[in-house]
Amino acid sequence: EPEVTQTPSHQVTQMGQEVILRCVPISNHLYFYWYRQILGQKVEFLVSFYNNEISEKSEIFDDQFSVERPDGSNFTLKIRSTKLEDSAMYFCASSYAGGSYNSPLHFGNGTRLTVT
Amino acid sequence: AQTVTQSQPEMSVQEAETVTLSCTYDTSESDYYLFWYKQPPSRQMILVIRQEAYKQQNATENRFSVNFQKAAKSFSLKISDSQLGDAAMYFCAYRSAMGATNKLIFGTGTLLAVQP
Repeated sequence: EPEVTQTPSHQVTQMGQEVILRCVPISNHLYFYWYRQILGQKVEFLVSFYNNEISEKSEIFDDQFSVERPDGSNFTLKIRSTKLEDSAMYFCASSYAGGSYNSPLHFGNGTRLTVT
Repeated sequence: AQTVTQSQPEMSVQEAETVTLSCTYDTSESDYYLFWYKQPPSRQMILVIRQEAYKQQNATENRFSVNFQKAAKSFSLKISDSQLGDAAMYFCAYRSAMGATNKLIFGTGTLLAVQP
């Protein structure tokens, strides 16, 4: 069964540095998402992306964050000037349609980001 | 705003027994989708079961079934004949079927332990 893949599995960075988290969604999916999970807390929506543009974003997704689909397969999340509170597990997901009953989200294994 | 509540941070079940995980949600919408996702130690979130709000019949997927009580805004997950591989964090999630949003709203999760 096709999977969403994320790299790296663990990223350690220093406060103030920029990081890029990478995801390869399922190939025929059209919608892409980033979620994050701070340790011990709930999974939170960050952003959804469709047709090469952001279709929805949460209040968490401020100017520090950006997403890009640089080619036909990758979907990236860039975090500029990382802060300690950015430490979390970041999940990429994709869906064929908009995440409805018939087109649920498929998640990757996550990237654990540690900001020191 | 919609919220999802999972009141059981941890649950334990004996192998081959049945366990029920609770989920309640708050919404003013009439049409929505509900999901249960499983997150094993491998971290990947896997869709377990889904329900459309306008369908009164409870969804079933092999050993997994739900008890969907729309009036009570309750969506519990029943796992029958529990297996060691069922040990994981289980997340309940809500998605509106109205408007342009396609984000999932997650509960805080229930960590299920399966005792041999």
